Amino acid sequence: GQNIDQPTEMTATEGAIVQINCTYQTSGFNGLFWYQQHAGEAPTFLSYNVLDGLEEKGRFSSFLSRSKGYSYLLLKELQMKDSASYLCAAMEYGNKLVFGAGTILRVKS
Amino acid sequence: DSGVTQTPKHLITATGQRVTLRCSPRSGDLSVYWYQQSLDQGLQFLIQYYNGEERAKGNILERFSAQQFPDLHSELNLSSLELGDSALYFCASSVVGDNEQFFGPGTRLTVL
Repeated sequence: GQNIDQPTEMTATEGAIVQINCTYQTSGFNGLFWYQQHAGEAPTFLSYNVLDGLEEKGRFSSFLSRSKGYSYLLLKELQMKDSASYLCAAMEYGNKLVFGAGTILRVKS
Repeated sequence: DSGVTQTPKHLITATGQRVTLRCSPRSGDLSVYWYQQSLDQGLQFLIQYYNGEERAKGNILERFSAQQFPDLHSELNLSSLELGDSALYFCASSVVGDNEQFFGPGTRLTVL
């Protein structure tokens, strides 16, 4: 069956580093996505991992371990505008995205 | 701006009614996806079309149907509406061979 787990909420301080974890169990696996979504807006793409390892993109990095069914999103030098929901999504065969419930990140000054 | 457009932005209707949501993908994208996002369910994949043909089906109710037209725009039809159908409906598109999906701004449906 499909199961994507990520923490419901996290709080971090401006300028700090935060890691959002995600574990997944899907029928077939074709990659792991992270999306950012501000309230009432569309999700926007942050990262995609299909091979094990770390992908770095500016202040955001994402890691994947296929054998463990585990990924994390690392946000560095946090800014107030990073307050949003972060969605982990596993792609099954056939380009079907299965989303986790999202992690609400609150950045405080 | 992702390049994906959706109309209308807001829709308010009554139970039992039927509505049509429209999506225009990014120029050149052949794949269109529909998602439903409600407060208690999160983002749920409904259906995917590729160049006019249905490609994948998710948790789409029988009261819902979709199609993709020759000009690649897509419509999602929701009928016999229930209160629980109130949600944000997103359309996304992608390029052939590229896994990244670009989301439109969404249509907020309210069923009273």
